[in-house]
Amino acid sequence: IAGITQAPTSQILAAGRRMTLRCTQDMRHNAMYWYRQDLGLGLRLIHYSNTAGTTGKGEVPDGYSVSRANTDDFPLTLASAVPSQTSVYFCASSPEAEGTDTQYFGPGTRLTVL
Amino acid sequence: GQNIDQPTEMTATEGAIVQINCTYQTSGFNGLFWYQQHAGEAPTFLSYNVLDGLEEKGRFSSFLSRSKGYSYLLLKELQMKDSASYLCAVRDSNYQLIWGAGTKLIIKP
Repeated sequence: IAGITQAPTSQILAAGRRMTLRCTQDMRHNAMYWYRQDLGLGLRLIHYSNTAGTTGKGEVPDGYSVSRANTDDFPLTLASAVPSQTSVYFCASSPEAEGTDTQYFGPGTRLTVL
Repeated sequence: GQNIDQPTEMTATEGAIVQINCTYQTSGFNGLFWYQQHAGEAPTFLSYNVLDGLEEKGRFSSFLSRSKGYSYLLLKELQMKDSASYLCAVRDSNYQLIWGAGTKLIIKP
């Protein structure tokens, strides 16, 4: 693989169910991010990780959790999905959290919670 | 609060020039990014400005005025493939990106 992959591509989920969105990068980037994108709104940061073993909360973290056990993987978990979590979820990475590095995005996961 | 403003939608003609504006109010400033996003796809990086002035990259140029909290993206010789949303994002004092809602650019033949 090259770049960032996300799985699944899309998912329909019943409210109350638990769901993990997967994100893997092979660029050895230190920083990784999870965003949600909703119509009419900008990308909103859910959680981030500046380096393996550390995570932080973004603008809209409630209802979501993340882990960063290694450099490559950054899964996002919805413990008990609600309809307001219907969105397109993008994972992104950058070489470092600071500096001039841009962020590279995965293809996204379209999640519908019914 | 932090705010990024850009027009919701713009229309332009193939072969013409279009300027997409972005104004921002953020807690700190560590650079401004422009991304392109085609419908149903991921955002892709276009340009980065951290100092005042114009950065040119082929048909695309980006301008920044930090004192005015203002940037624009200039697209020349428009092609049908330029139909997309253009996202403005500012890196704040915590090095997090604050995103505008995006400008949908429609190119007509």
